Amino acid sequence: AQSVTQPDIHITVSEGASLELRCNYSYGATPYLFWYVQSPGQGLQLLLKYFSGDTLVQGIKGFEAEFKRSQSSFNLRKPSVHWSDAAEYFCAVGARDDKIIFGKGTRLHILP
Amino acid sequence: GAVVSQHPSWVICKSGTSVKIECRSLDFQATTMFWYRQFPKQSLMLMATSNEGSKATYEQGVEKDKFLINHASLTLSTLTVTSAHPEDSSFYICSAPDRGKSYEQYFGPGTRLTVT
Repeated sequence: AQSVTQPDIHITVSEGASLELRCNYSYGATPYLFWYVQSPGQGLQLLLKYFSGDTLVQGIKGFEAEFKRSQSSFNLRKPSVHWSDAAEYFCAVGARDDKIIFGKGTRLHILP
Repeated sequence: GAVVSQHPSWVICKSGTSVKIECRSLDFQATTMFWYRQFPKQSLMLMATSNEGSKATYEQGVEKDKFLINHASLTLSTLTVTSAHPEDSSFYICSAPDRGKSYEQYFGPGTRLTVT
């Protein structure tokens, strides 16, 4: 069965520092992978997605993610975080029948 | 991009009553829609798949008689929480794939349900 693991429940970084959020997936075929961000009380916003092709994917708000098949990973990165990046981040995999399976999320805290 | 709306954005109801939540695809047709539930500080859990013109399919552990889903048109799916109880209080989010863009899926803004 498809699954997504986000090993870090909370991450705290200083404003201006670099960020990497980890994501590992389990899927039998080539996965469709997503990163979403959710601010408190709000809906989901798609940051980026990987369907095929170039394994380094650029997204909105300066985020990027790299698909590594050998490691079953799709880690999210940003070179310099801003206070407004504090939110909950969800990694997700597109499963059969258009379903999307979410990881448990990583809450990002930003220190001033 | 495509837009999915939900109505209402928040609702408070008394225990034992039923509440209906609408999910609409505004500029594309959605033969399939998905309903998720999100408890505070938790992830989104898929509840059911809404299929236009046929019965919904529910994930394991979700009570189909409690969470009634109707997908009567290509742009509208409704979720009715019947005989709501405080433990049903949650954030309900719908999504719809745009079949013109494989695996491009669009999420509604969510509905906050509070049962008192």
